[in-house]
Amino acid sequence: QKEVEQNSGPLSVPEGAIASLNCTYSDRGSQSFFWYRQYSGKSPELIMFIYSNGDKEDGRFTAQLNKASQYVSLLIRDSQPSDSATYLCAVRTGNQFYFGTGTSLTVIP
Amino acid sequence: NAGVTQTPKFQVLKTGQSMTLQCAQDMNHNSMYWYRQDPGMGLRLIYYSASEGTTDKGEVPNGYNVSRLNKREFSLRLESAAPSQTSVYFCASRGGQVGPQHFGDGTRLSIL
Repeated sequence: QKEVEQNSGPLSVPEGAIASLNCTYSDRGSQSFFWYRQYSGKSPELIMFIYSNGDKEDGRFTAQLNKASQYVSLLIRDSQPSDSATYLCAVRTGNQFYFGTGTSLTVIP
Repeated sequence: NAGVTQTPKFQVLKTGQSMTLQCAQDMNHNSMYWYRQDPGMGLRLIYYSASEGTTDKGEVPNGYNVSRLNKREFSLRLESAAPSQTSVYFCASRGGQVGPQHFGDGTRLSIL
């Protein structure tokens, strides 16, 4: 059973702060790692993905991958109320994707 | 710029009825997927198709069948619906070897 674990939250941060979301995975053969944002009642939308160890930045978002620790994280800088959503971590192994249950983030104005 | 289109968006069925959920993508993607999403369970893979003409079981295939009709279309069929299949169903597609999945808007299915 391939597992992807996330803290369910809720995580609350004040507007303008950094939000840190974490994810661990069990399969060392996993190849790519994805962060999706899902608003209530909507479909998941891709934020960014990473497949090499280290950091990858895209605007206010930074994904960090540590394959030795089987750990991937997402940092959101200058958090905005519009960032309030559930964040899903997904891991690709071959043709299959495995999702965590998501972390609920609330950004307080 | 449609992306992944799912129909219908909402459906209510009675136990034992059958129905087919439709999914079409216009991004020329090879791989397509069906997921269900339940509260507290995250997204769980039902079936996927790595390329036209192939289908494979995911984590929760029981009670479902799929058809990869052509490169664009991937349908999910419930032959005899059960209340346990009440869920939100998402179709997704993916192009290339390392690319992400792109999701449709979902089908909200209730089985009474």
